[in-house]
Amino acid sequence: KNQVEQSPQSLIILEGKNCTLQCNYTVSPFSNLRWYKQDTGRGPVSLTIMTFSENTKSNGRYTATLDADTKQSSLHITASQLSDSASYICVVSANSGAGSYQLTFGKGTKLSVIP
Amino acid sequence: DAGVIQSPRHEVTEMGQEVTLRCKPISGHNSLFWYRQTMMRGLELLIYFNNNVPIDDSGMPEDRFSAKMPNASFSTLKIQPSEPRDSAVYFCASSLLRAGELFFGEGSRLTVL
Repeated sequence: KNQVEQSPQSLIILEGKNCTLQCNYTVSPFSNLRWYKQDTGRGPVSLTIMTFSENTKSNGRYTATLDADTKQSSLHITASQLSDSASYICVVSANSGAGSYQLTFGKGTKLSVIP
Repeated sequence: DAGVIQSPRHEVTEMGQEVTLRCKPISGHNSLFWYRQTMMRGLELLIYFNNNVPIDDSGMPEDRFSAKMPNASFSTLKIQPSEPRDSAVYFCASSLLRAGELFFGEGSRLTVL
């Protein structure tokens, strides 16, 4: 069964500090992995996509890594800002054949950045 | 583009009543998804359409739930009769490709008393 596990479940950090969120998956056959940011009361928004051949990808202060061998991904946030307070959801896509894909969602990490 | 548009944003209803949630996907997107989000279970796929055709409805909880997509620019999710355990935020999302980036609406928060 495809699964995506995220840790920690929640995290509180001081403004300006860095943090790293983890995503472990057992999804096969792997197609891609996305990190989404969900602000309170809003829909999720894609931050970055990682394909099998990519190890690192940055989007401003967000840097995602992927280790396809260990089936782990991380999202590193540098110099956090109050606006980074949100839930971060890891979503892994599996190619289920015949042009069909299955998405497996993690339950998210709730990040709170405090002044 | 205005993005994915959902209505209503909030709905409070009594048990047994019919609820209809509406979604207008991004123009040109050919895949549409309905998700339900709760604190306990996170985001769960209910059903998805490709080119207006339901492809996978295995996530629909039971016969009380039904979804339609009569054309490329409109979809509905109906719950009849509603129950308190249906209380959740329901998201509609669309994408250009089946494995592409999902664009979510702002969600419809449903409370069934």
